[in-house]
Amino acid sequence: AQKITQTQPGMFVQEKEAVTLDCTYDTSDPSYGLFWYKQPSSGEMIFLIYQGSYDQQNATEGRYSLNFQKARKSANLVISASQLGDSAMYFCAMREEGTYKYIFGTGTRLKVLA
Amino acid sequence: DVKVTQSSRYLVKRTGEKVFLECVQDMDHENMFWYRQDPGLGLRLIYFSYDVKMKEKGDIPEGYSVSREKKERFSLILESASTNQTSMYLCASSTPGTGTYEQYFGPGTRLTVT
Repeated sequence: AQKITQTQPGMFVQEKEAVTLDCTYDTSDPSYGLFWYKQPSSGEMIFLIYQGSYDQQNATEGRYSLNFQKARKSANLVISASQLGDSAMYFCAMREEGTYKYIFGTGTRLKVLA
Repeated sequence: DVKVTQSSRYLVKRTGEKVFLECVQDMDHENMFWYRQDPGLGLRLIYFSYDVKMKEKGDIPEGYSVSREKKERFSLILESASTNQTSMYLCASSTPGTGTYEQYFGPGTRLTVT
């Protein structure tokens, strides 16, 4: 069965440092997409980055990169040079090819310290 | 910019009331979704729709129904609200046109049933 696991309920990072948020997934489908979303305290989920299962390169979007290790079924989000505005809840999600359904993890709350 | 709007940010209803949550997107997206978000449980899919008048049950459809009469509007209905439906409700939309199917979310409705 499809599953997304985020084992870190909460994390702290010092401003300007890099931080890695963990995500592991489980699927038997060879074709799938992985997503990371940010949810600030305002509540709106913001799409950050996408990785396709057949993508050869790790995805990057500005200060966000996705460390995709297919054999280990992990898709960790790396935020470089953390900013105070990065303090938020972060969700990892997966969609299998040919379906409309997305599976979300339970989230990691990140707090950036000044 | 994709915009997804929800009719209310906060809503308080009494047990047994019929509750309507409205969601509108302005980017002509085919797919629309309703989730509920509870602490420690992440986002759970209630219903989704991939076309006008089409709907599919998600993981937790009990106690809910939906309506999609127009492409841009997707309504969630609580037929007889109960206290265990107190939650944050998030609407989202997506389109295959992006190739990655990332979802765009509304600001959420925090529903309290007393």
